[in-house]
Amino acid sequence: AQSVTQPDIHITVSEGASLELRCNYSYGATPYLFWYVQSPGQGLQLLLKYFSGDTLVQGIKGFEAEFKRSQSSFNLRKPSVHWSDAAEYFCAVGVEGNKLVFGAGTILRVKS
Amino acid sequence: NAGVTQTPKFQVLKTGQSMTLQCAQDMNHEYMSWYRQDPGMGLRLIHYSVGAGITDQGEVPNGYNVSRSTTEDFPLRLLSAAPSQTSVYFCASSYSRGGHEQYFGPGTRLTVT
Repeated sequence: AQSVTQPDIHITVSEGASLELRCNYSYGATPYLFWYVQSPGQGLQLLLKYFSGDTLVQGIKGFEAEFKRSQSSFNLRKPSVHWSDAAEYFCAVGVEGNKLVFGAGTILRVKS
Repeated sequence: NAGVTQTPKFQVLKTGQSMTLQCAQDMNHEYMSWYRQDPGMGLRLIHYSVGAGITDQGEVPNGYNVSRSTTEDFPLRLLSAAPSQTSVYFCASSYSRGGHEQYFGPGTRLTVT
């Protein structure tokens, strides 16, 4: 069965520090991979997506993610975190049809 | 474009009551879906539709019904609410071909007492 694992429930980083959020997936075919962000009380906004081609993808708000097939990973990175990045981040894999399987989420706290 | 809209934003139900969560989109998307979000579990797919008149079950369909009579609307019905259905519900839409971005509504926070 398809699944997505986000090993870190909470992460706290200092403002200006770099960030990496981990995501591992289990899916038999070539995956479509997504990162979404959810601010408190809000819906989900797409940060970036991977379909094929270049394994390093750029997204909005200065985020990037790297697809590593050998590790079944799609980690999200940002070189310098801003206080406004505090939110919950979800990794998802697109499976047959257009269904999404989500990870449990990682809550990012930013220290000033 | 309004995107994906959901009503109501908040709802409190008593056990056994029924209600319908409304979802509409104005992007002419074929694909629409309902997810529920629970702490520590991410979002789980309840039902989805690939076009008007076509619906199918997702991962957690029990206790919910859907129908899709138009491209724009995809209501979710709770037949007999239970406390286990206390959750935040999100509707999403996209073009139907795999891999397209799904656009999410703002959510409905439902509490069943």
